[in-house]
This record gives sequence, C-alpha cells and structure tokens, in this order.
Amino acid sequence: DAKTTQPTSMDCAEGRAANLPCNHSTISGNEYVYWYRQIHSQGPQYIIHGLKNNETNEMASLIITEDRKSSTLILPHATLRDTAVYYCIVRVGHQAGTALIFGKGTTLSVSS
Amino acid sequence: GAVVSQHPSRVICKSGTSVKIECRSLDFQATTMFWYRQFPKQSLMLMATSNEGSKATYEQGVEKDKFLINHASLTLSTLTVTSAHPEDSSFYICSAPDTGSEAFFGQGTRLTVV
Repeated sequence: DAKTTQPTSMDCAEGRAANLPCNHSTISGNEYVYWYRQIHSQGPQYIIHGLKNNETNEMASLIITEDRKSSTLILPHATLRDTAVYYCIVRVGHQAGTALIFGKGTTLSVSS
Repeated sequence: GAVVSQHPSRVICKSGTSVKIECRSLDFQATTMFWYRQFPKQSLMLMATSNEGSKATYEQGVEKDKFLINHASLTLSTLTVTSAHPEDSSFYICSAPDTGSEAFFGQGTRLTVV
C-alpha cells in the first residue's frame, strides 16, 4: 500500500470548515483513498473513501486532486465532537483478508 | 451499519494472570478479524489476523504464545493475553471487514496490568 503523509495536528474553530490534507504521491492506479477517525479511547470510525472522483456523504467530503497524489477531507461545519485523530489510508479496495495499516494521522482539535 | 462488539471495555488484572478479550460481529459474518494494539499517544499497530477455522497469523515481533487468538465461529474471535505483565498494558482493538466498502472496529479494551 502507498505511504501517506499528514500534518501532525490542526486546529479549527467550531462551526468552521475543517480541511485535512493528505499526500499520497506514490499512489497506484488501483488504490483507493480511505479516511477513518478515532475519537479518544474509542475504536476507529469509517468516514469516507474514493478512487478518483470527489465524494460526499453525511459526514464529510473528499476532494482528490486530478493526479491523485493528494487529497483533502473536508468537515463542512466542525463541532466539538469532531475532535479526533484522522487517518488517511491508501489501499487496494476493501479486501476482506487484509488489514488497514494506520499511520500517525492528524490530530484535529475543534474549539469553541 | 454493521456493528462489532468488543468485551470487556476495561479490565485490570494482576501481573502473571491471563485476560481474555472477545470480539463479535453482531449482524454479519466475518471469516477474518484483525487485532490491534495501541499505546498512549501512538497509532494502532496491527498484531495479528484471526482466521475462522485456522490458525491466526501474527505480525513480526508479536509473540503468538503470549497473545493467543481463537476464531471459533464466523462471529467471534478472542484474544487472550497470557501471563500478563505491566508492559502489556495497552488499548486493544479488534476489526472485522464486511463485504462492503468499510471496516468496522470494536470499541476497544483498555487493559491495565498491575
């Protein structure tokens, strides 16, 4: 799986959009970009994933650059409950026999 | 969405004793489950892959005789930390991928060995 690079930490004001970047310059053509988050002392939670098109769901939007070497997770209206560690993971689809490998992620702190 | 239930959420045990952690997929079957360990302020580290009906596969550096994994059914995997020591104190998390597009994680077990 391709390696990803994320900033160690970011701050965001409550109600504002949180834009979390991820670099994955060695991504292969068949690799997806997945985002998970982990709220303190809980298991990780799936957010969103995409291959090359931008994606949106009830939690977030995922913007993938045309060359697919980087992406941005957008939380449109951050709340205090969005404070968590956000992990960007690149892998070849969701194969039941392979585990997610986590990097260090970005610690997002949302404050009022 | 699919749910993975992990039990117990917290456990304190004495050094030298064994602790069993259960991971259940509640509304789907999982032939494979994964066990992770997470130390404070660190990321999740994959420990082993639990395979229903066969032996677990362990990551490099993880002692298979210390961390016993049993995947007896399509909905249950257990991790037993044998002869626990204070350095085994950690946050243990299981995961089960469903046939869709995401993996589901248990709520984690905080193990403290005293």
